[in-house]
Amino acid sequence: GEDVEQSLFLSVREGDSSVINCTYTDSSSTYLYWYKQEPGAGLQLLTYIFSNMDMKQDQRLTVLLNKKDKHLSLRIADTQTGDSAIYFCAALGYYGQNFVFGPGTRLSVLP
Amino acid sequence: DTEVTQTPKHLVMGMTNKKSLKCEQHMGHRAMYWYKQKAKKPPELMFVYSYEKLSINESVPSRFSPECPNSSLLNLHLHALQPEDSALYLCASSQGPRLAGPDTQYFGPGTRLTVL
Repeated sequence: GEDVEQSLFLSVREGDSSVINCTYTDSSSTYLYWYKQEPGAGLQLLTYIFSNMDMKQDQRLTVLLNKKDKHLSLRIADTQTGDSAIYFCAALGYYGQNFVFGPGTRLSVLP
Repeated sequence: DTEVTQTPKHLVMGMTNKKSLKCEQHMGHRAMYWYKQKAKKPPELMFVYSYEKLSINESVPSRFSPECPNSSLLNLHLHALQPEDSALYLCASSQGPRLAGPDTQYFGPGTRLTVL
């Protein structure tokens, strides 16, 4: 089955760019997602990318997909303290509705 | 509007209690999901309803009983829970199985459940 991995922690200074990385194993995954979770809250959809795209940009967010290496990244430009949260990468399989989530990356933004 | 609502926000129950969690969406979505999330872990899928029929049960113990009374509502009935069932319970919805395009899931804020 699909396995999704992420680094667990990332610290950046306010105003810098953050890059959160994710790898997945199933090349038939059709869509790859990024969700943000603040403490005690649900998951907020940030963005997603179709597996035949290389890049998607949405305001401060840039998603890069290297399908050959099965590597996904989320870049947050001009990171703010409000960006401190856990970021989950998730893969949607070809056949179904099952999301496979990564373990989450805890982003800490230092003033 | 991409809102999924869940009630209650917090719930404390004893091991002999019976309680229910509720989830509602008005986006016309035909698939709804229950997830369980322990602290510092990703959400774990419990159940999927598709067109009001249970399509996936991820080997969840019978003390958790889902119900989908209509396409907008999803309940999770709880009975004889154990302290290890304490977690954040998340509901999500999506458009449902389709031929093209992503079946993106939208999550509610969750119910924080504590079992004493």
